[in-house]
Amino acid sequence: NAGVTQTPKFQVLKTGQSMTLQCAQDMNHEYMSWYRQDPGMGLRLIHYSVGAGITDQGEVPNGYNVSRSTTEDFPLRLLSAAPSQTSVYFCASSYARRGQSPLHFGNGTRLTVT
Amino acid sequence: SQQGEEDPQALSIQEGENATMNCSYKTSINNLQWYRQNSGRGLVHLILIRSNEREKHSGRLRVTLDTSKKSSSLLITASRAADTASYFCATDARSGNTPLVFGKGTRLSVIA
Repeated sequence: NAGVTQTPKFQVLKTGQSMTLQCAQDMNHEYMSWYRQDPGMGLRLIHYSVGAGITDQGEVPNGYNVSRSTTEDFPLRLLSAAPSQTSVYFCASSYARRGQSPLHFGNGTRLTVT
Repeated sequence: SQQGEEDPQALSIQEGENATMNCSYKTSINNLQWYRQNSGRGLVHLILIRSNEREKHSGRLRVTLDTSKKSSSLLITASRAADTASYFCATDARSGNTPLVFGKGTRLSVIA
């Protein structure tokens, strides 16, 4: 039982490049979400999904796209990377919607945009 | 926008001492959760306390919730060096459709 798996662990991009951060969970959780963590800022929600085919914006969605074609996968796409997107990105899932049950986190992707 | 705010921002104690961290929030909640984050890792869930509960225990952890003061505390008893981590509270607001909102965390250092 792997839980929540994020790939890659580290990534360096140049300004303007695009990439996809992968997130997969094997717990059959309906709810999945993406957070970014910056020093002194805590975790801020980017996008979330309450089930396959359903996504919604969080607090800081600009510059990011998501899709949820299967229950297991929830990729995060950076359309045109900017230095302000340098951060650590966490994917999380839970069996219930919103905050009704504990979140299970992946170990993060550390992204640097130069 | 942050719903929960932890206090203090950083805490340094000796092994064996108790550590207390506080979380204050602004709006009515369904539940409040505490998470731990070790350096370079994802967050790990510790305890969920519902709005109709006042206290919960899990091993050396004790969480209290005072909805009248909109505050919660996390007590770690008999701390160990392995408890060194950042601790976050997260709130599930009763109104609106916003998922869990995290505070900025308390960084705990336990010195052996």
